[in-house]
Amino acid sequence: GAVVSQHPSRVICKSGTSVKIECRSLDFQATTMFWYRQFPKQSLMLMATSNEGSKATYEQGVEKDKFLINHASLTLSTLTVTSAHPEDSSFYICSASRLSYNEQFFGPGTRLTVL
Amino acid sequence: AQTVTQSQPEMSVQEAETVTLSCTYDTSESNYYLFWYKQPPSRQMILVIRQEAYKQQNATENRFSVNFQKAAKSFSLKISDSQLGDTAMYFCAFMAPGANSKLTFGKGITLSVRP
Repeated sequence: GAVVSQHPSRVICKSGTSVKIECRSLDFQATTMFWYRQFPKQSLMLMATSNEGSKATYEQGVEKDKFLINHASLTLSTLTVTSAHPEDSSFYICSASRLSYNEQFFGPGTRLTVL
Repeated sequence: AQTVTQSQPEMSVQEAETVTLSCTYDTSESNYYLFWYKQPPSRQMILVIRQEAYKQQNATENRFSVNFQKAAKSFSLKISDSQLGDTAMYFCAFMAPGANSKLTFGKGITLSVRP
């Protein structure tokens, strides 16, 4: 149990376009979802926390207009990178948690390359 | 705010030997959770072991065990009988319980197991 999927696993796009990444909890209802960014050989950097039906809470320094997060249901959250630029190229990871479990379950990540 | 420190960026161990990865943390919370995550080359985050601060007994999972020293705020991971598949980045992480519980990660350590 507690499986989280991400789609797509990798995406290449042109500078200026928008890219949407989906995060789904497959066998549980995720009350909270988290989005992380990770550069090679570095730790995970939390970008934002989202609760179903509420606006996401962004970490300091994360542009909310650049990284749009929607958590429309208890099993789906999306991250849209708007007007992507090469510096947005990174590995994006989502995780999901359920009430009272005090644990996060991670998706497999999405590698974004912006040309 | 909590901090997690992993001061060793890299370690290497011979196959079948034992290795210990160190982690210290700082918090004013009395109840919390500590985790070790493994991130292999696939970059999927895998939970290795979890420790609840109110439990005095050190957590163990097969070849993986922790040395949890609450007073010293230390949480080291011991890997016994190291295997080639243990080669990965390892992250120590802290979570205070509650709604929207965030994980605070250390910088991680790259472990290489030599054949």
